[in-house]
Amino acid sequence: DQQVKQNSPSLSVQEGRISILNCDYTNSMFDYFLWYKKYPAEGPTFLISISSIKDKNEDGRFTVFLNKSAKHLSLHIVPSQPGDSAVYFCAASARAGTALIFGKGTTLSVSS
Amino acid sequence: NAGVTQTPKFQVLKTGQSMTLQCAQDMNHNSMYWYRQDPGMGLRLIYYSASEGTTDKGEVPNGYNVSRLNKREFSLRLESAAPSQTSVYFCASSTGLEVRGYTFGSGTRLTVV
Repeated sequence: DQQVKQNSPSLSVQEGRISILNCDYTNSMFDYFLWYKKYPAEGPTFLISISSIKDKNEDGRFTVFLNKSAKHLSLHIVPSQPGDSAVYFCAASARAGTALIFGKGTTLSVSS
Repeated sequence: NAGVTQTPKFQVLKTGQSMTLQCAQDMNHNSMYWYRQDPGMGLRLIYYSASEGTTDKGEVPNGYNVSRLNKREFSLRLESAAPSQTSVYFCASSTGLEVRGYTFGSGTRLTVV
């Protein structure tokens, strides 16, 4: 049973528009949520995180929103750029530093 | 600043052969992890080591063994490779104390024929 779900395998967006990537989780013990970005033939790289005590975290063009009651988080990228085209993984853990559980990923394609 | 180094980058094995995937980190991290990535399956945890001297099973440990050789190195061994173990394997490390997650290596692409 998947604990972290990314139900959209792919998303296509035009350059300059907003990209919204969604993630749902089932384990109410999860306290930390992270987004990773992965380019082909490279390892995933950390993008942004949020802890359960917050409902929003911003870092430049990237904002993560957390709705604990709905067990849902989303990553907003504004404005989207062609270089953002990659696979985005949502991940969660029950406490800082413990093993992360990843979703299946969403492939984002940003066209110019 | 090498970060996390995985060797080899590519490997082809015959069914039944054994091999060890090597991973080393130079960031003085306490925790290390092995994941596999398969199409449509995301990243699945195989084994992890929260600190030197400890190892624990993850979601998909069957067919694998690990050794935390020292603080820097964490190896993954396939004793008798099977086609189902064809995958891309990622090693990662973290301090174990903060929420920025992991630093990943660039991966080992393994094909078992």
